[in-house]
Amino acid sequence: AQSVTQLDSQVPVFEEAPVELRCNYSSSVSVYLFWYVQYPNQGLQLLLKYLSGSTLVKGINGFEAEFNKSQTSFHLRKPSVHISDTAEYFCAVSGGGYNKLIFGAGTRLAVHP
Amino acid sequence: SQTIHQWPATLVQPVGSPLSLECTVEGTSNPNLYWYRQAAGRGLQLLFYSVGIGQISSEVPQNLSASRPQDRQFILSSKKLLLSDSGFYLCAWRGLTDTQYFGPGTRLTVL
Repeated sequence: AQSVTQLDSQVPVFEEAPVELRCNYSSSVSVYLFWYVQYPNQGLQLLLKYLSGSTLVKGINGFEAEFNKSQTSFHLRKPSVHISDTAEYFCAVSGGGYNKLIFGAGTRLAVHP
Repeated sequence: SQTIHQWPATLVQPVGSPLSLECTVEGTSNPNLYWYRQAAGRGLQLLFYSVGIGQISSEVPQNLSASRPQDRQFILSSKKLLLSDSGFYLCAWRGLTDTQYFGPGTRLTVL
């Protein structure tokens, strides 16, 4: 069965610093991988997704993620964060049956001035 | 383009009262639909999913039920709310390549 582990529950960072949010998954089959962002009291918004091909995926708001099959990881990065990036970030993997997604527990990114 | 609506946006209900949350999708037909709940400070919990009209699958036993009376309408209900039903309820539909698109959510507070 698929599972997703987000290694950090909270990540504090200063504005304009780089950030990496870590995600590891387990699966015995090929999967699709996703990152979503959730701002307070809002629904989840798709940041980016990996389907196949290039292992470096670029998304919205300057985020990118790298798929590493040997390490079963899909870490999210941004070279310079803004205050407005403060939010909860969820990693997800497909393959949960009936087109379900398996979500990680989330990482709360807090950007400080 | 596709859009997903949820209402109400916020709801405060007494314990023991009934509940009905509605989700509708526009711009697509026969979508897979999902209900999730986020308790305070917790991650996403899948409650129900539906692959078509009248077809509901429950992920966890609970005080809630779901129905899909129309192709693009998904309803979450309860006959008697519990304090533990408080949370943020999210509806989603599945697009291509398993991508899910989420609605704006409903904040439910049970007092």
